[in-house]
Amino acid sequence: QKEVEQNSGPLSVPEGAIASLNCTYSDRGSQSFFWYRQYSGKSPELIMSIYSNGDKEDGRFTAQLNKASQYVSLLIRDSQPSDSATYLCAVTGMIKAAGNKLTFGGGTRVLVKP
Amino acid sequence: EAGVTQSPTHLIKTRGQQATLRCSPISGHTSVYWYQQALGLGLQFLLWYDEGEERNRGNFPPRFSGRQFPNYSSELNVNALELEDSALYLCASSSTGRDTQYFGPGTRLTVL
Repeated sequence: QKEVEQNSGPLSVPEGAIASLNCTYSDRGSQSFFWYRQYSGKSPELIMSIYSNGDKEDGRFTAQLNKASQYVSLLIRDSQPSDSATYLCAVTGMIKAAGNKLTFGGGTRVLVKP
Repeated sequence: EAGVTQSPTHLIKTRGQQATLRCSPISGHTSVYWYQQALGLGLQFLLWYDEGEERNRGNFPPRFSGRQFPNYSSELNVNALELEDSALYLCASSSTGRDTQYFGPGTRLTVL
């Protein structure tokens, strides 16, 4: 079982619609959760972080965390063609000695069609 | 505020050579992380430096090494290059006690 799992996609979404991305993780002690966006050939760009159960909103993005189900999701409202990218879920573990090492999922490729 | 910077942007080496990649963290950040993103393998954690010390390393052979300088910049060295070392090498930084990491633009290493 992979430590962090994401559907690879592509997730095809009409412009203006909501894109829903999911991520599950295996380490029940994981503390911090991040969503990054990565355009082809570029480096990951932080979208948002979430630490507590529930929803966290930032502009058109909403992250949702459910630690009991070991599940984190990202909603992109009013999707734009510029949102077409690969979205990476990243998690830090419970082992203090590991520091803040990020474990990444494989990413979900999102395509927003005009 | 300047972001994380990395040099060079591209690096082409032949098998068996050594590569040196450099990273400057965001001003005020003391932790530097190195990740490898090889085609089809996703982002893999390589090394973590904090306050000049190596704190943790991922499942990579010893020929991957590095260091952090007193100004918190960092260097990644890859010895005895192999074809499968071809990848995008990403550096990220975070401030002391914080876990949010910000990535640099990366160095694309090609091993021929």
